[in-house]
Amino acid sequence: GAVVSQHPSRVICKSGTSVKIECRSLDFQATTMFWYRQFPKQSLMLMATSNEGSKATYEQGVEKDKFLINHASLTLSTLTVTSAHPEDSSFYICSARDWDRGSTEAFFGQGTRLTVV
Amino acid sequence: GQNIDQPTEMTATEGAIVQINCTYQTSGFNGLFWYQQHAGEAPTFLSYNVLDGLEEKGRFSSFLSRSKGYSYLLLKELQMKDSASYLCAVMDSNYQLIWGAGTKLIIKP
Repeated sequence: GAVVSQHPSRVICKSGTSVKIECRSLDFQATTMFWYRQFPKQSLMLMATSNEGSKATYEQGVEKDKFLINHASLTLSTLTVTSAHPEDSSFYICSARDWDRGSTEAFFGQGTRLTVV
Repeated sequence: GQNIDQPTEMTATEGAIVQINCTYQTSGFNGLFWYQQHAGEAPTFLSYNVLDGLEEKGRFSSFLSRSKGYSYLLLKELQMKDSASYLCAVMDSNYQLIWGAGTKLIIKP
């Protein structure tokens, strides 16, 4: 199947700083990528849909100025958590679909464990 | 509203069979997915059903009834490594995935 690479896998940052998470589709072009966060023992919560070359679509309740998404190319989307606070500590996961192959399967990155101290 | 229901936790014995149920109510339907997620890791794809019936893939099988809004994941010959959370997700009319909360499966020797 298609491969989605997410980096970094773990990051610890100080409160008030910003953290950038990268999501790359390695062997296909992803016009659309999805960003999720997951709290312990809870399901995935869609934060935003990232569209190549246009503004991301954020879900209700997600602050677009705090969670900056950039999808500058067909293989790369980035999520920047700005002015991070301890409550932003979570597991962030990106996914993409390979529409060109007619696949409806969502391929996931490895996830990023963010800890804000 | 859109809703996916699945049991929170199940326990089974190594070598046995377990069935994890999922019921859904969504705006449109473009398929149902089952994913496996080990703690601290991203989900991995198990199955996709868009037509009624049973899809078998090795030790795992998935069933769908669209008229009943119901699916199950059947795991046979359980192994300790099958201990994980199993997520049911439905793709709605906008091709967005609606996720269930996941079922934590505990395998005992």
